[in-house]
Amino acid sequence: ETGVTQTPRHLVMGMTNKKSLKCEQHLGHNAMYWYKQSAKKPLELMFVYNFKEQTENNSVPSRFSPECPNSSHLFLHLHTLQPEDSALYLCASSQARGLASETQYFGPGTRLLVL
Amino acid sequence: ELKVEQNPLFLSMQEGKNYTIYCNYSTTSDRLYWYRQDPGKSLESLFVLLSNGAVKQEGRLMASLDTKARLSTLHITAAVHDLSATYFCAAFLNTDKLIFGTGTRLQVFP
Repeated sequence: ETGVTQTPRHLVMGMTNKKSLKCEQHLGHNAMYWYKQSAKKPLELMFVYNFKEQTENNSVPSRFSPECPNSSHLFLHLHTLQPEDSALYLCASSQARGLASETQYFGPGTRLLVL
Repeated sequence: ELKVEQNPLFLSMQEGKNYTIYCNYSTTSDRLYWYRQDPGKSLESLFVLLSNGAVKQEGRLMASLDTKARLSTLHITAAVHDLSATYFCAAFLNTDKLIFGTGTRLQVFP
């Protein structure tokens, strides 16, 4: 275990549903990340939070809405998703953004299927 | 734009054999990471390479970095079945963005 947990591990939702993914880290880190992992594609960085402030949004559609209430928790709120949004969503954390030897620790991911 | 390319994408190798996975990146990067991912599991950090010529070894895996050639390698020595997984390299763009390669799926058979 890496110290980063994600719930749920699997999620099936319709295109009109609203759901949320949750990530929690127990490492005392200050930076948290959302990634999307699709089949046959590299990991895509979606959002970055550093000390609870969003520092990066990689042109992610507005149907994905992140929330970071504190340095230990990160949410990804989903609404009106499309079938092409089906993927593995990975959360990661690191000590803080920009450190020279920064290593990101990943959660197990949420496997999302949009019908 | 930083692109990270790995090859091969798939690697099937016999136990006891040696092989190298290559990771090329397209622009200047001062940090290179290697991760391992088992099916249905998290990405696990293997190595962080911070300077030209850096070499790190852990068990049967050895990673190196040549920043002038924009190349990192992950060398597998005397492969065993437990090494079967997908291996990702990731390079850090100067503006603090970590870009991942597509991954190399390694299967080690008896």
